[in-house]
Amino acid sequence: AQSVTQPDIHITVSEGASLELRCNYSYGATPYLFWYVQSPGQGLQLLLKYFSGDTLVQGIKGFEAEFKRSQSSFNLRKPSVHWSDAAEYFCAVGEGGSYIPTFGRGTSLIVHP
Amino acid sequence: NAGVTQTPKFQVLKTGQSMTLQCAQDMNHNSMYWYRQDPGMGLRLIYYSASEGTTDKGEVPNGYNVSRLNKREFSLRLESAAPSQTSVYFCASSEGAGVVATQYFGPGTRLLVL
Repeated sequence: AQSVTQPDIHITVSEGASLELRCNYSYGATPYLFWYVQSPGQGLQLLLKYFSGDTLVQGIKGFEAEFKRSQSSFNLRKPSVHWSDAAEYFCAVGEGGSYIPTFGRGTSLIVHP
Repeated sequence: NAGVTQTPKFQVLKTGQSMTLQCAQDMNHNSMYWYRQDPGMGLRLIYYSASEGTTDKGEVPNGYNVSRLNKREFSLRLESAAPSQTSVYFCASSEGAGVVATQYFGPGTRLLVL
């Protein structure tokens, strides 16, 4: 079965700084990979997803993620963080036979002005 | 277009009480899901409904029951609440089924069981 690890529980960045949130997965074949964002008091919203093809995926809100098979990683990046990006970010991984993806524990992003 | 709505937003129960969490979607989606979210544990699937008239257990179904009332509505029932069921509950829906389907989430119900 697939598993996903988000090594950072909290990340603090200054507004305008770049951001990288880490995600590692365990799965033999090419997985389906997702990043979701959860703003305070809200449900999860899909930022981007990777199924196949170009390993650099563009998402909403200026986010991108890169699939690196050799490192079993799917890290989320943003070149310049805005205060409104403060939220909880979840990485998720799925396989073809599963019904839903497996979610990581989440990384809380704190943005300082 | 409200998307996925959940009621109530907050609820406090005493151990042994019962309650039903309501979920409705107005996107004409076929599949609906119930998750619970606990600190440091991400989301865990309780039950899902691939289509109207069908329901299946997820990862943590014990202590819960569900009803897919119609295509729009999917309710979650706690028959005898326990403190271990203190959590945030999310309902979601998707047009298709399977891991590739994009899920749309409601705002959640925060449940405290004393």
